[in-house]
Amino acid sequence: GAGVSQSPSNKVTEKGKDVELRCDPISGHTALYWYRQSLGQGLEFLIYFQGNSAPDKSGLPSDRFSAERTGGSVSTLTIQRTQQEDSAVYLCASIRSREINEQFFGPGTRLTVL
Amino acid sequence: AQSVTQLDSQVPVFEEAPVELRCNYSSSVSVYLFWYVQYPNQGLQLLLKYLSGSTLVKGINGFEAEFNKSQTSFHLRKPSVHISDTAEYFCAVSWRQGAQKLVFGQGTRLTINP
Repeated sequence: GAGVSQSPSNKVTEKGKDVELRCDPISGHTALYWYRQSLGQGLEFLIYFQGNSAPDKSGLPSDRFSAERTGGSVSTLTIQRTQQEDSAVYLCASIRSREINEQFFGPGTRLTVL
Repeated sequence: AQSVTQLDSQVPVFEEAPVELRCNYSSSVSVYLFWYVQYPNQGLQLLLKYLSGSTLVKGINGFEAEFNKSQTSFHLRKPSVHISDTAEYFCAVSWRQGAQKLVFGQGTRLTINP
């Protein structure tokens, strides 16, 4: 079966522009996570979606970051007014169940802000 | 709060030699423990996980790890490495409740030399 997919694989944008990153989790997986991987900060949690519950947004670094998950499946991470420090690889992961808690990661989107 | 420390940022090893990648964690509550591998320009792949039960956990590609509660460690080992094991390795923990988000160490770059 297909794994977690993310698009685009690479995104280059100019400072101040908005970007949207997409994640397609594995079909039937109940929860979805976004993480960020950067040279300075390593791997950091951003946001978590579980079913119809309110998302855990505790990892979002500023109010320029937002995310939504439509229909319990596809998720979009939006960064408004991008800054150079937003340059990183954005990773999405999904899990089938909390009891197993095995997070399957997508290949990531490499964002470069010029 | 949780934290994870990977004691070595880089580990060079000769092919067919044994290797140990060290990981210590800090948490006031029980956690799940994980090792992930990231090959160049790829996403994260789960090597192994400790949820409960036997403290010696076997994973893919011949890797194993041992959970030591008294030393709060979860070191990764392989008795004989191959060139193909060259990658970055991440230790991670998650709480058993709530979002179960992963908190990662800074990573260890394993380089296998012929």
